[in-house]
Amino acid sequence: GAVVSQHPSWVICKSGTSVKIECRSLDFQATTMFWYRQFPKQSLMLMATSNEGSKATYEQGVEKDKFLINHASLTLSTLTVTSAHPEDSSFYICSARGQNTGELFFGEGSRLTVL
Amino acid sequence: AQSVSQHNHHVILSEAASLELGCNYSYGGTVNLFWYVQYPGQHLQLLLKYFSGDPLVKGIKGFEAEFIKSKFSFNLRKPSVQWSDTAEYFCAVSRNTDKLIFGTGTRLQVFP
Repeated sequence: GAVVSQHPSWVICKSGTSVKIECRSLDFQATTMFWYRQFPKQSLMLMATSNEGSKATYEQGVEKDKFLINHASLTLSTLTVTSAHPEDSSFYICSARGQNTGELFFGEGSRLTVL
Repeated sequence: AQSVSQHNHHVILSEAASLELGCNYSYGGTVNLFWYVQYPGQHLQLLLKYFSGDPLVKGIKGFEAEFIKSKFSFNLRKPSVQWSDTAEYFCAVSRNTDKLIFGTGTRLQVFP
């Protein structure tokens, strides 16, 4: 199946700093990517829909100025957590829709720990 | 509020036991239904999906799910589980868009 890769898989940062997480579709082009957040022992919560070449669409309650999403190419979307705080510590997962099948493929996730 | 419910939060079974994980949703109209699995330390993988047609859907690794529209349910089943089925299972629903709404997940532990 198609592969979606996230980098870094694990990051620790100090409070107040910004962290960028990349999501790449390795063997297909993805016009749409999705960013999810997963708290421990909880489900995935959709944060935003990222469309190539346009502004991301954020879900209600998600601060777009804090979670900056850029989808500059058909294979790359980035999530930047700005001025990170300990409560932003979480597991961030991206998914991308395959152009041919329409199936969603998920990245392996990025664990963010803010000290 | 519209939601996806998985009532079994943690299921413990012995190998060869039968499995059924519940999933109910509260959306009206046409929906697409999915079951995803997350093995320890790995990313989410699609087990099976229902868009239309036969409400009994067969997926990978011997899993199947039945869509019962009148009950707003899409329960996951496997006749005989294996130790390797130990994982977190997520039900998800979309309404003709790519946006998936996930249930809270069910942790399955299978003991040899």
